[in-house]
Amino acid sequence: KAGVTQTPRYLIKTRGQQVTLSCSPISGHRSVSWYQQTPGQGLQFLFEYFSETQRNKGNFPGRFSGRQFSNSRSEMNVSTLELGDSALYLCASSSTVDGYTFGSGTRLTVV
Amino acid sequence: DQQVKQNSPSLSVQEGRISILNCDYTNSMFDYFLWYKKYPAEGPTFLISISSIKDKNEDGRFTVFLNKSAKHLSLHIVPSQPGDSAVYFCAASEGTGNQFYFGTGTSLTVIP
Repeated sequence: KAGVTQTPRYLIKTRGQQVTLSCSPISGHRSVSWYQQTPGQGLQFLFEYFSETQRNKGNFPGRFSGRQFSNSRSEMNVSTLELGDSALYLCASSSTVDGYTFGSGTRLTVV
Repeated sequence: DQQVKQNSPSLSVQEGRISILNCDYTNSMFDYFLWYKKYPAEGPTFLISISSIKDKNEDGRFTVFLNKSAKHLSLHIVPSQPGDSAVYFCAASEGTGNQFYFGTGTSLTVIP
């Protein structure tokens, strides 16, 4: 079974730009969660989607948004990028059977 | 507000000795806990879990202990091996299938 695929792996953007990250979950997994990892802050929960609906949301500004498609693939968008948005963005898909599986992440650098 | 805390950012242990990684939580409703291991340039991988109906769960060299009254869990690795060098995250949730709250991670270095 293929794992969680995140694209792109690396991304460099300029302040003020916007970015879209993609996550393809494990086949059959309907839940996709997004996390931001920064040094010293651990994994901060962004949001979770289940069957195309946002089910949970963390404490991030409205510049961070996401969506999920009918095939369970999810995208995360960050608008008006700030230097502090530089981080590793991790996506995890889950099912009640398989639990949580993370992708390798997208390393975003904002310059 | 950090509901799951790992107060030791780093830990160094000699190969063959025991590694003990600690994790504290504040939400008494948490009843499902996991440990993840993360190597650089990779996503976290599941290591071991425990539910609040148990106080210990073992899987090979890895044992997780849960002290509900102290809202504390720990991961023991015995014996530690150089390949165990990674960042370890603990996570907690209210039941399975719900949002997980992660700690800030502890970077373990096992010295050969």
